[in-house]
Amino acid sequence: DQQVKQNSPSLSVQEGRISILNCDYTNSMFDYFLWYKKYPAEGPTFLISISSIKDKNEDGRFTVFLNKSAKHLSLHIVPSQPGDSAVYFCAASPGTYKYIFGTGTRLKVLA
Amino acid sequence: EPEVTQTPSHQVTQMGQEVILRCVPISNHLYFYWYRQILGQKVEFLVSFYNNEISEKSEIFDDQFSVERPDGSNFTLKIRSTKLEDSAMYFCASRQGIEKLFFGSGTQLSVL
Repeated sequence: DQQVKQNSPSLSVQEGRISILNCDYTNSMFDYFLWYKKYPAEGPTFLISISSIKDKNEDGRFTVFLNKSAKHLSLHIVPSQPGDSAVYFCAASPGTYKYIFGTGTRLKVLA
Repeated sequence: EPEVTQTPSHQVTQMGQEVILRCVPISNHLYFYWYRQILGQKVEFLVSFYNNEISEKSEIFDDQFSVERPDGSNFTLKIRSTKLEDSAMYFCASRQGIEKLFFGSGTQLSVL
């Protein structure tokens, strides 16, 4: 039962352009969402989060949008930089102890 | 910035052997987790631990797995009798409140 899905396994974007990573979820009880970045052989690193009472949260180059009716969230990175190349995971919590992760999207930013 | 530290970074073991993976969560954090990632797959929840007991666990976390917080700083994951399919990167994580998880850099477990 895959409750958090990232349907694009990979994405390539030119340096300076916008990267948009998408995430869909099925459980309407999820009320807190996070995005993580992961480099090979390292642990996931927190990027940005959003609670279900908001529809947008911004932190520097990163913005997360939440569409509760569509059960969809997206991460926008503007402008994209080569150092952003990594695997990005969205995660969701139903307000209990656990966070459920998506399958990840590998972002490649081309110089 | 405070870090979650995990040891060892790599562990190789024979099938059927017991392994203990160790973690030192961030000192003022209250919630502790183990996740794992099989190569190329998603990061899977194993178990959460709060107030000295398991608060949630996944179907993966069967009787072969156990967690312990033996003192005020360490948090361990024990696999009693390892199987080939236990080979994965194991991540420890911690958090203070209802917010982001901080992850360690992981232990790569290889079961031969």
